[in-house]
Amino acid sequence: DVKVTQSSRYLVKRTGEKVFLECVQDMDHENMFWYRQDPGLGLRLIYFSYDVKMKEKGDIPEGYSVSREKKERFSLILESASTNQTSMYLCASGTSPYEQYFGPGTRLTVT
Amino acid sequence: GIQVEQSPPDLILQEGANSTLRCNFSDSVNNLQWFHQNPWGQLINLFYIPSGTKQNGRLSATTVATERYSLLYISSSQTTDSGVYFCAVGGSQGNLIFGKGTKLSVKP
Repeated sequence: DVKVTQSSRYLVKRTGEKVFLECVQDMDHENMFWYRQDPGLGLRLIYFSYDVKMKEKGDIPEGYSVSREKKERFSLILESASTNQTSMYLCASGTSPYEQYFGPGTRLTVT
Repeated sequence: GIQVEQSPPDLILQEGANSTLRCNFSDSVNNLQWFHQNPWGQLINLFYIPSGTKQNGRLSATTVATERYSLLYISSSQTTDSGVYFCAVGGSQGNLIFGKGTKLSVKP
């Protein structure tokens, strides 16, 4: 079975803090993705990566950056957290961009 | 870009009932996935079904790519089937485009 893990299920941070969300997959997938999910807006793609050290912007990259130093790990960074970044963050991976497997999600609250 | 529409937006069933969820998409695609998001937020893969029919236990799915729709069938529903069902199709960026989901509530 594909296993995608995320570093925290719940996280509370203060405005202005630098926040790291970690995602690790154990299936040697080339492709990894970060989404956020908000009520009424559905899932929106933030960033994705097709290979180590490679990244592409998704639909809503503003306020975020990513890092992929190793194939199995894809990190999402909030440089200076703001309250409008309170959301559910979902990581996914796959051998194909069109067949993705998701982690359990991180509910981030920024106060 | 491709639009993905799911219907109905909400569905309430009695345990044991059958249901059909629909996904329409605005352009031809060669990939489509169905997911179930459980009450804890986890998105679980149900089917990768760009065309044809697949079955897995009480769930089955059919995609008719030429007519731009896919159907997810749930038979003999159980309370554990509750949650939100999403379909997603491949976008031009090499990403998935999600519909807004169907929220299913199965009552005991």
